[in-house]
Amino acid sequence: GDSVTQMEGPVTLSEEAFLTINCTYTATGYPSLFWYVQYPGEGLQLLLKATKADDKGSNKGFEATYRKETTSFHLEKGSVQVSDSAVYFCALSSDNYGQNFVFGPGTRLSVLP
Amino acid sequence: SQTIHQWPATLVQPVGSPLSLECTVEGTSNPNLYWYRQAAGRGLQLLFYSVGIGQISSEVPQNLSASRPQDRQFILSSKKLLLSDSGFYLCAWSVWSGVGGDRTEAFFGQGTRLTVV
Repeated sequence: GDSVTQMEGPVTLSEEAFLTINCTYTATGYPSLFWYVQYPGEGLQLLLKATKADDKGSNKGFEATYRKETTSFHLEKGSVQVSDSAVYFCALSSDNYGQNFVFGPGTRLSVLP
Repeated sequence: SQTIHQWPATLVQPVGSPLSLECTVEGTSNPNLYWYRQAAGRGLQLLFYSVGIGQISSEVPQNLSASRPQDRQFILSSKKLLLSDSGFYLCAWSVWSGVGGDRTEAFFGQGTRLTVV
């Protein structure tokens, strides 16, 4: 079945450091890919998405490119802030799953001042 | 615009007591609805999803059940809570118009923190 693998962390960075969180997926067909962010005590918020190969999703300085050849959707940010501290989830949806969503285990990011 | 309401925000219940969590969606029709559970420090576990009124699919057998009495209402229930039912419960919705059709991301509620004591 479909699956998502991501580095689990925790990831600890200093403010203004470069961030990469790796995400790879297994799916048949052409899934849509998502990054969600969860702040403490809250639900998940969509950070960015891409619906086809080579699409780049971007939001709030975060970027991720849908790479079908490597089945990857790595999250990057050039300069993190303390306010970026949260848990980040990579996810996919595909028609094969009746539009269920498959989530990775989440990566906890802590940014230190 | 679409919104999702989930309540209560926090709940402390004794072992063996019943549970009812409610989720409603506004601003869309015939959404797919989902219940997820997140144990402390863990990822998301899909519990139930529904593609229409009265249509419930269970992903994990356990002492929880779900119902969809109206198009935009999704209820998570239990007759007798266990300690292991503690966690953060998230309701979500999406739109999917079928294979090859329009589809959206999942939109999440703010969650219910359930502690079974």
